[in-house]
Amino acid sequence: DIVLTQSPGTLSLSPGERATLSCRASQSLSSNYLAWYQQKPGQAPRLLIYGASSRATGIPDRFSGSGSGTDFTLTISRLEPEDFAVYYCQQYVSSPRTFGQGTKVEIK
Amino acid sequence: EVQLVESGGGLVQPGGSLRLSCAASGFTFSSYWMHWVRRAPGKGLVWVSHIKGDGTNTNYADSVKGRFTISRDNAKNTLYLQMNSLSAEDTAMYYCASPLAVYGAFDIWGQGAMVIVSS
Repeated sequence: DIVLTQSPGTLSLSPGERATLSCRASQSLSSNYLAWYQQKPGQAPRLLIYGASSRATGIPDRFSGSGSGTDFTLTISRLEPEDFAVYYCQQYVSSPRTFGQGTKVEIK
Repeated sequence: EVQLVESGGGLVQPGGSLRLSCAASGFTFSSYWMHWVRRAPGKGLVWVSHIKGDGTNTNYADSVKGRFTISRDNAKNTLYLQMNSLSAEDTAMYYCASPLAVYGAFDIWGQGAMVIVSS
């Protein structure tokens, strides 16, 4: 199974600051089949990024994804109040479709 | 409107069984892989199972293999998860999800069904 390791576990930032979240895979992800999701309390996850760098429909351009192979990054350029949430990466190269353990972005 | 709606969650005793349903609407259900994902309280997302559009291919996480069965009824546009031999470790919110417009990534999710395993 492909293991995804996210860091940091928690990111404490203020609105307007830049957030940089990392996701490292235990083996190279072919075709950069990596997605990022946002989940807020009481809500279902929402797809933000697919293919490592493509924004999903309706996702603001302050969210960007980058990386290839085993190292991937989600960047939120300027945090808005609604961006404080938990973020997960997921690989869809192979089954099981593993998720990272999540990064919580909290208000400092 | 594209929509997934789960039902069937609830409180069940250890060793018991429960069947979750996920009703799909707004898209050609039979054309798409469907997945179940769960999130235990205070934990992260965990992929549980998937099934191909025609029902011919299924797979499971090791933690549920042999106890859970995924199935679908394309005539009813409904996905199922039969859960047997439940334990406290299965307590979680269960989501159905699917990659519709995007290959592989889950761009549509249901609102979730809560399963609590407790005596």
